[in-house]
Amino acid sequence: LAKTTQPISMDSYEGQEVNITCSHNNIATNDYITWYQQFPSQGPRFIIQGYKTKVTNEVASLFIPADRKSSTLSLPRVSLSDTAVYYCLVGFKAAGNKLTFGGGTRVLVKP
Amino acid sequence: DTGVSQNPRHKITKRGQNVTFRCDPISEHNRLYWYRQTLGQGPEFLTYFQNEAQLEKSRLLSDRFSAERPKGSFSTLEIQRTEQGDSAMYLCASSPSSHPYNEQFFGPGTRLTVL
Repeated sequence: LAKTTQPISMDSYEGQEVNITCSHNNIATNDYITWYQQFPSQGPRFIIQGYKTKVTNEVASLFIPADRKSSTLSLPRVSLSDTAVYYCLVGFKAAGNKLTFGGGTRVLVKP
Repeated sequence: DTGVSQNPRHKITKRGQNVTFRCDPISEHNRLYWYRQTLGQGPEFLTYFQNEAQLEKSRLLSDRFSAERPKGSFSTLEIQRTEQGDSAMYLCASSPSSHPYNEQFFGPGTRLTVL
């Protein structure tokens, strides 16, 4: 499984854009990049996944450069309720049956 | 509420006691997963069911841990002879086979404290 590295924590302010970069130097050809969000005392929640270039949904955007050795989750105009831990996961979309989480990035949104 | 539900939400027990947790997945989700999460860490995979068949277990799941999904619907996770190191959040997730495995729907978890 590809190992991921992401910052331990980030602070931001309401209304700002938050960008979290994840490094995955040994990503395999079949691997997808998936991001989860976890609020305190709740289970993780799937946010977005992608394979290459850019993916956007109603919650976030995911930017993946051509070499796919890193990816950036972008949260536009964050609010206090976006304070959470964000996990970057890398794995084969249809193979294996377990998610492998790292330590995640703790994002604190301040007023 | 049509999400994954877990009961109890909190459990406090004394070392050496047995505990059992229940997970009710989203209806018609045939895949069910158990994870364990300790403070400050990401969730760690424990085991996986496809319908009633337990297809994969982590080495974390020692002989004191057992999980069942007898009718392919709800699942139970039992820990025998609990130890203080078992204190953690136990998370259940489910997904339909039509989804890729990396899109899982998590419940709120059961927080276990072993005194």
